[in-house]
Amino acid sequence: DVKVTQSSRYLVKRTGEKVFLECVQDMDHENMFWYRQDPGLGLRLIYFSYDVKMKEKGDIPEGYSVSREKKERFSLILESASTNQTSMYLCASSFNTYNEQFFGPGTRLTVL
Amino acid sequence: AQKITQTQPGMFVQEKEAVTLDCTYDTSDQSYGLFWYKQPSSGEMIFLIYQGSYDEQNATEGRYSLNFQKARKSANLVISASQLGDSAMYFCAMREGGAGNQFYFGTGTSLTVIP
Repeated sequence: DVKVTQSSRYLVKRTGEKVFLECVQDMDHENMFWYRQDPGLGLRLIYFSYDVKMKEKGDIPEGYSVSREKKERFSLILESASTNQTSMYLCASSFNTYNEQFFGPGTRLTVL
Repeated sequence: AQKITQTQPGMFVQEKEAVTLDCTYDTSDQSYGLFWYKQPSSGEMIFLIYQGSYDEQNATEGRYSLNFQKARKSANLVISASQLGDSAMYFCAMREGGAGNQFYFGTGTSLTVIP
């Protein structure tokens, strides 16, 4: 079975802190994605990557950056966390763009 | 304009009945893919079914079927013989074009199955 793991299920940070959210997949998938999920807004794509060291902006990249140094790992970085970045963050991977995405369990981030 | 529209924030269905969850999409691409995901209260996203834009037959996976009407740009999910475990959020999603293109998700429909 494909497994996508995220470094934390719950995270509490202070405004202005630098935050790292890690995602690892174990199925050699080409594509990886970061979403945030907010009530009533569904899932919104922050960034995605279709190859190592490649990244593409999604719908809401402002305030975020990403890193993909290895195929299996895709990191989301909040350079200076703000309260409006309190949300559920979901990582996903897929074999290629044509296939379904497999999701991690999510990280619920609270920024105080 | 919204790429994916799900107009039903909440739906109720009696156990063992069938239910249709609506999804319309907006794209000018000829090649695209449509997906449905289920998110139970535990939070995990579970892939249910996929329909490619060139697929002539409606996709089916067990009790799930996708009613694909290309001209209307709709991709409704039909769940037959609803079970209590079907109570969850359901998201419709689209992948436009080819490699390197992103996914778009709808805002979701909350389905409650009543015993």
